[in-house]
Amino acid sequence: RKEVEQDPGPFNVPEGATVAFNCTYSNSASQSFFWYRQDCRKEPKLLMSVYSSGNEDGRFTAQLNRASQYISLLIRDSKLSDSATYLCVGRMDSSYKLIFGSGTRLLVRP
Amino acid sequence: NAGVTQTPKFQVLKTGQSMTLQCAQDMNHNSMYWYRQDPGMGLRLIYYSASEGTTDKGEVPNGYNVSRLNKREFSLRLESAAPSQTSVYFCASSEEGLAAFWEQYFGPGTRLTVT
Repeated sequence: RKEVEQDPGPFNVPEGATVAFNCTYSNSASQSFFWYRQDCRKEPKLLMSVYSSGNEDGRFTAQLNRASQYISLLIRDSKLSDSATYLCVGRMDSSYKLIFGSGTRLLVRP
Repeated sequence: NAGVTQTPKFQVLKTGQSMTLQCAQDMNHNSMYWYRQDPGMGLRLIYYSASEGTTDKGEVPNGYNVSRLNKREFSLRLESAAPSQTSVYFCASSEEGLAAFWEQYFGPGTRLTVT
């Protein structure tokens, strides 16, 4: 079982829609989580960190549920420019290693 | 600032050939990383260097060697390329320390095909 698992999608939504992605992790001792965004054939870029209390950055809301071992990303009022692959990332131990999920692809159509 | 740069952008090798992937960053970061990305697998850490003068194995180090040449540069060497090493290779850098290492800045990647 992968340490970080994501639904690969694609999620195909119209502009203006609200879309949510979930990500599950297998190591209950996992410490920190993040969402990265990767455009087609480009490098990944940090989107936001994920806190247990939930955090919001504009149209994006991230949430961590430690009891159920899942992380979520909610995107409101989707834009065409949100089309990308969203990578769920975890720090599983006290090392400098990040574990990347394989990504969820989002397509926002006009 | 260029950020993180990688050369070459594309490379085709024959099985058994060797090559070095170059990476440089101009953000004065202490920590640098090499990842590979394969379809359906996500990014996997090959090697990392928490600070100049140190290197450590990641998740998939077999078949690779690294050199932290100085603070700016971190190279990845394939001594004898195999088809299983066909992948996209990303270099990344970050500030040192547990409070910052997770914000990693990636280079544009090297697309390597081994035939």
